Amino acid sequence: NAGVMQNPRHLVRRRGQEARLRCSPVKGHSHVYWYRQLPEEGLKFMVYLQKENIIDESGMPKERFSAEFPKEGPSILRIQQVVRGDSAAYFCASSPQQGNQPQHFGDGTRLSIL
Amino acid sequence: DAKTTQPNSMESNEEEPVHLPCNHSTISGTDYIHWYRQLPSQGPEYVIHGLTSNVNNRMASLAIAEDRKSSTLILHRATLRDAAVYYCILPLNSNSGYALNFGKGTSLLVTP
Repeated sequence: NAGVMQNPRHLVRRRGQEARLRCSPVKGHSHVYWYRQLPEEGLKFMVYLQKENIIDESGMPKERFSAEFPKEGPSILRIQQVVRGDSAAYFCASSPQQGNQPQHFGDGTRLSIL
Repeated sequence: DAKTTQPNSMESNEEEPVHLPCNHSTISGTDYIHWYRQLPSQGPEYVIHGLTSNVNNRMASLAIAEDRKSSTLILHRATLRDAAVYYCILPLNSNSGYALNFGKGTSLLVTP
C-alpha cells in the first residue's frame, strides 16, 4: 500500500503569489491532518479534516490559509499572497479513524518564498 | 495542554541499548503517551504509544512510570539507521481528533 503522498516536494513562490500543497492520504484513511515545521522547530498542528469537513482549524492562521478535503481527490492546503514567513516544511498525516490512532506522515512539501 | 520535557540530545554506540527519557508531570488520567521519530528530510514516523502499561513492538519498548509522570523509550540495539530526532508527545485531545504538537525532541546520535 502506498503511504501518504505529498506533492510537490519542493515549491518556490514569490511574495504575493499563491501556494497549493496537495496530500493524498493512505488508501482508506478518511482523516487528514496538516502540520507546519519552521526551521529548527518541531511540527505544529494546523488543521484536522475529514472528508468534506473541517473539524478543527485552531492551528491555522486566521488569514490567507485555507484547507479542504473533497469527496474525491487529495486534500489541499492553500496559502494566498505568500510572505517570507510562510517558508517552512508542510507535512500531511492521515489516520484510518477518529481517536487515538497512530498518524501516517508524508515526506512534506518544502515551501520557499523569494 | 500537558507538556513534555526531553533532553536536547543523546549519544549511543551502535548495537547498544538506548534509553530516551521524557517527563510529563502534568499528564492527565486520559492522556496517551506517543513517540514519533523524524529522520533528516523525512516526515515523522510513528514508533509506539501507551497509556499505563509498558508496551512493546517490533521497533521499541515503552516503559511508563507508575505515576505516569515520566516515560522512557527503549531501543534495544541501536543501529545507524536509528539516528533521528525522537519526540515524546501527549496528543491534543479535542472533541474530534488527536492532533500532535511536537516539541524539539531529543536528537539521537549513533556512532559506529
